[in-house]
Amino acid sequence: TQLLEQSPQFLSIQEGENLTVYCNSSSVFSSLQWYRQEPGEGPVLLVTVVTGGEVKKLKRLTFQFGDARKDSSLHITAAQPGDTGLYLCAGDQGGSEKLVFGKGTKLTVNP
Amino acid sequence: DAGVIQSPRHEVTEMGQEVTLRCKPISGHDYLFWYRQTMMRGLELLIYFNNNVPIDDSGMPEDRFSAKMPNASFSTLKIQPSEPRDSAVYFCACSGGETPYNEQFFGPGTRLTVL
Repeated sequence: TQLLEQSPQFLSIQEGENLTVYCNSSSVFSSLQWYRQEPGEGPVLLVTVVTGGEVKKLKRLTFQFGDARKDSSLHITAAQPGDTGLYLCAGDQGGSEKLVFGKGTKLTVNP
Repeated sequence: DAGVIQSPRHEVTEMGQEVTLRCKPISGHDYLFWYRQTMMRGLELLIYFNNNVPIDDSGMPEDRFSAKMPNASFSTLKIQPSEPRDSAVYFCACSGGETPYNEQFFGPGTRLTVL
């Protein structure tokens, strides 16, 4: 059983479209992080959300942490081919330095 | 800082051979993690160290896998003997320093193919 479920698993859209990907769990996290991984590279941190209900914006990317700190979403406005990659969410349950990773959403933005 | 450095970037070997993967973390980051990534299982934590001491190795699949961190700037992950099912991308990551929420910094990975 995956502690963090990400959906959809795959997403292929056209340039200019909007999209939302989700990261859900039955567990509470003290913080949640989003990473983007491009082909042939390691994951790179995009943002950390800490407070329930928190919304953070990073240019065209909007991240939200659920009120109960069990889920999160990532919304991309006017997607561009450069947004293509694997989006991973990772939760910190507190008490150790370990993170729990979801399996990711593989996004392809076609020109 | 150059970021996390891993070598080799690609490794192709035959079943039964010993494989050693290397990692140099970011200076000042006192936690080091080894992960394995496959399409089927995603990113799996194998082991992590704090101040060069192994803290949790519960993710190490079996005795064929071992990891060491002889000093703060170097770690190895060894597979002996290697098997085809070990084929995956192996990442080293680190955290600590001034990051407040356990954010991790990943290396570029080693793509291992065992024939």
